[in-house]
Amino acid sequence: AQSVTQLGSHVSVSEGALVLLRCNYSSSVPPYLFWYVQYPNQGLQLLLKYTSAATLVKGINGFEAEFKKSETSFHLTKPSAHMSDAAEYFCAVRNKNDMRFGAGTRLTVKP
Amino acid sequence: GAGVSQTPSNKVTEKGKYVELRCDPISGHTALYWYRQSLGQGPEFLIYFQGTGAADDSGLPNDRFFAVRPEGSVSTLKIQRTERGDSAVYLCASSSGTSGGELFFGEGSRLTVL
Repeated sequence: AQSVTQLGSHVSVSEGALVLLRCNYSSSVPPYLFWYVQYPNQGLQLLLKYTSAATLVKGINGFEAEFKKSETSFHLTKPSAHMSDAAEYFCAVRNKNDMRFGAGTRLTVKP
Repeated sequence: GAGVSQTPSNKVTEKGKYVELRCDPISGHTALYWYRQSLGQGPEFLIYFQGTGAADDSGLPNDRFFAVRPEGSVSTLKIQRTERGDSAVYLCASSSGTSGGELFFGEGSRLTVL
């Protein structure tokens, strides 16, 4: 069985500050890993995905994530937060056709 | 269509009633998923279809929940004898079926059971 743990249900940063959202996974096989973003009253949009091609993955809107096998982590970062980044972020792990999500981290950006 | 379409976007019903939620996936996507998202939670897996068959229905909470995909495209999630605890956003997603591919989500159907 596979699972995802997102540390911190709520993260608050100032505009322009570094964003770091944490994700740790558990998987019996090399996983595919994803970060999705959800804006209020909308569905989930893909930010980026790891599929073993490169450990540092760049996504949309300036986000990136690094796969660290030794730490079973896939943390999401952005060097400088923007007000428009305020949303809910979900980490997910996929093994074949089984995709499981973390509980999510709500990002607040203060002016 | 261009994306995953879900109807209705909002459904309010009374306890004990029957509800159907519809999902129209991206054209050509063979894999279709249903998730349930409660307030403040991540999406919870319900059922996965590959083509017309339910390849994994282990996430359905009980026998009041049922889903079909008769022609391998549109899917309907059916909930019988609704309970207040069924209130949530029901998300549908589709995928091309390639290993490691992302899921494309609809905007969800918000179900409120009074």
